[in-house]
Amino acid sequence: QKEVEQDPGPLSVPEGAIVSLNCTYSNSAFQYFMWYRQYSRKGPELLMYTYSSGNKEDGRFTAQVDKSSKYISLFIRDSQPSDSATYLCAMQEGGSYIPTFGRGTSLIVHP
Amino acid sequence: GAVVSQHPSWVICKSGTSVKIECRSLDFQATTMFWYRQFPKQSLMLMATSNEGSKATYEQGVEKDKFLINHASLTLSTLTVTSAHPEDSSFYICSPLAASGRANNEQFFGPGTRLTVL
Repeated sequence: QKEVEQDPGPLSVPEGAIVSLNCTYSNSAFQYFMWYRQYSRKGPELLMYTYSSGNKEDGRFTAQVDKSSKYISLFIRDSQPSDSATYLCAMQEGGSYIPTFGRGTSLIVHP
Repeated sequence: GAVVSQHPSWVICKSGTSVKIECRSLDFQATTMFWYRQFPKQSLMLMATSNEGSKATYEQGVEKDKFLINHASLTLSTLTVTSAHPEDSSFYICSPLAASGRANNEQFFGPGTRLTVL
């Protein structure tokens, strides 16, 4: 079993839909949880960062962490075609600068 | 966010040749550099970690004599793929870590270099 599991998709939704992206993990030592967006043939770009459990909202994006279930989510409201990309979850243990990545979920938002 | 550049962005080479990839942090100093490799539809896999002026630490399964890493300054690190073979074709991404004043949420990534070995 991998440390971080993420469904690769693709996930195809119409413009304006609410998108839910998820990851599960097995390492209970993870304390920092991140979501990255990666456009084709580009490096990852940090979208959201959360420490421990809870919710965090930034514009159309909401990140949720449930440490008891070892489950994290990223919600995208009012999705746009420009949101079409691969979304990678990543997690770090406290004191570590090396994240463990999920394999990414490919999202396609069609007009 | 911080500016990180990689050069070249795309390179095609013949099997057996060596390829050097440069990574620069343009507006901050990086004491630590991470090099990742990403195969199509796969996650980022850490290859090695290097600290400025020190030898790199390689992850299990990564050949240190094949992937030479030089981190000679706080703004430049290079990855050289020696005697490249088709199975080395991948997307290579650097990730510099700032010397100070940055929290865990400020790990930046370069734009990546796509290597194709014929």
